[in-house]
Amino acid sequence: AQSVTQLDSHVSVSEGTPVLLRCNYSSSYSPSLFWYVQHPNKGLQLLLKYTSAATLVKGINGFEAEFKKSETSFHLTKPSAHMSDAAEYFCVVSALTGGGNKLTFGTGTQLKVEL
Amino acid sequence: NAGVMQNPRHLVRRRGQEARLRCSPMKGHSHVYWYRQLPEEGLKFMVYLQKENIIDESGMPKERFSAEFPKEGPSILRIQQVVRGDSAAYFCASSTDRAPTGELFFGEGSRLTVL
Repeated sequence: AQSVTQLDSHVSVSEGTPVLLRCNYSSSYSPSLFWYVQHPNKGLQLLLKYTSAATLVKGINGFEAEFKKSETSFHLTKPSAHMSDAAEYFCVVSALTGGGNKLTFGTGTQLKVEL
Repeated sequence: NAGVMQNPRHLVRRRGQEARLRCSPMKGHSHVYWYRQLPEEGLKFMVYLQKENIIDESGMPKERFSAEFPKEGPSILRIQQVVRGDSAAYFCASSTDRAPTGELFFGEGSRLTVL
């Protein structure tokens, strides 16, 4: 079984300040972990992915995440928030099984960026 | 190279009617997944299909919901006798048959409103 817990449903930051979106995972297998972003009324866009290579993963738009096995965490960070970062962010775990790439989503973190 | 295409983007149905949602995967992708997003929630897996085969339908409600992915044409998610609780965004995702990292590509979703 696999699951992810996003610890904050809403995060608010000022433009230009750092962003931290927290995620803890649970997986019976060696997991692949992802962060997806969803802008209002849009589909999901992949920000970055961890697949057992480097533990520090760099993604698009200046985001990065660090896989910490000892803490079962995969927190998403960005040094300086931009207004366009306001969106909903989903932490996702995948375990490739005979049933394909069945992804398990967290409940999402709504990021608000203020001037 | 077009992404995952879903239509209609918005669909309004009255209780008891049928809803049909269509998904054309990315070119070269033979695996299709359907997810449902209820208001204020993350995405929940519904069904995983390959051409002409349902591989995993463990997330599908037992009644009124069905999915297919024919040899020719788009994948279709069909909801019969819709009820208000079916109101949600339905997302389709696709992948190749060699997606070792578990990455899925998502469409922009079909938003169903049941009156």
